[in-house]
Amino acid sequence: DAGVIQSPRHEVTEMGQEVTLRCKPISGHDYLFWYRQTMMRGLELLIYFNNNVPIDDSGMPEDRFSAKMPNASFSTLKIQPSEPRDSAVYFCASTKGGLNTEAFFGQGTRLTVV
Amino acid sequence: GENVEQHPSTLSVQEGDSAVIKCTYSDSASNYFPWYKQELGKRPQLIIDIRSNVGEKKDQRIAVTLNKTAKHFSLHITETQPEDSAVYFCAANTGGFKTIFGAGTRLFVKA
Repeated sequence: DAGVIQSPRHEVTEMGQEVTLRCKPISGHDYLFWYRQTMMRGLELLIYFNNNVPIDDSGMPEDRFSAKMPNASFSTLKIQPSEPRDSAVYFCASTKGGLNTEAFFGQGTRLTVV
Repeated sequence: GENVEQHPSTLSVQEGDSAVIKCTYSDSASNYFPWYKQELGKRPQLIIDIRSNVGEKKDQRIAVTLNKTAKHFSLHITETQPEDSAVYFCAANTGGFKTIFGAGTRLFVKA
């Protein structure tokens, strides 16, 4: 397996534009997580899904952020409209439920909003 | 909800010395405590983990200890090497698969 795949790796956009980040979890993993990493706040859990269903979105900063998981192999995180303070590295991670709950991270998307 | 505090935020040691990173958690229901290492520009990767029914676990030069009563756990790296330089994150998981991370410790190992 190629691991968790995120796209794009880098995204530069203007304030006010819509941004969509994509994630493909490891096949067979039934949990998917979106994290945001900044120097100030570290790694923040935004939302996670189990079997494609959002379980906890309490970390989503505001209504401008939304996430979907239409099937077991694909998830998106959308920011609309984007703001400079959204600039961060966004990581997607997946796990297989059970005793081994190691989270496997994607390479991350570095988002810069200017 | 769970809150994980980690310190120090920065740690500088001489090559060959030991490094210790400490974390505390708030939710007594947490039962899984992984540690991740993130090298510059790369993704976090699991290096060791411990479960609540175990007090200590070792893997070569790294070890973790857990004190459930006090709700704290620690990472110990012995005989540090320059390649140990990275950001280390502790985390706590309540079994609901929601992993909450500490703020991270930037470790510098000076040659």
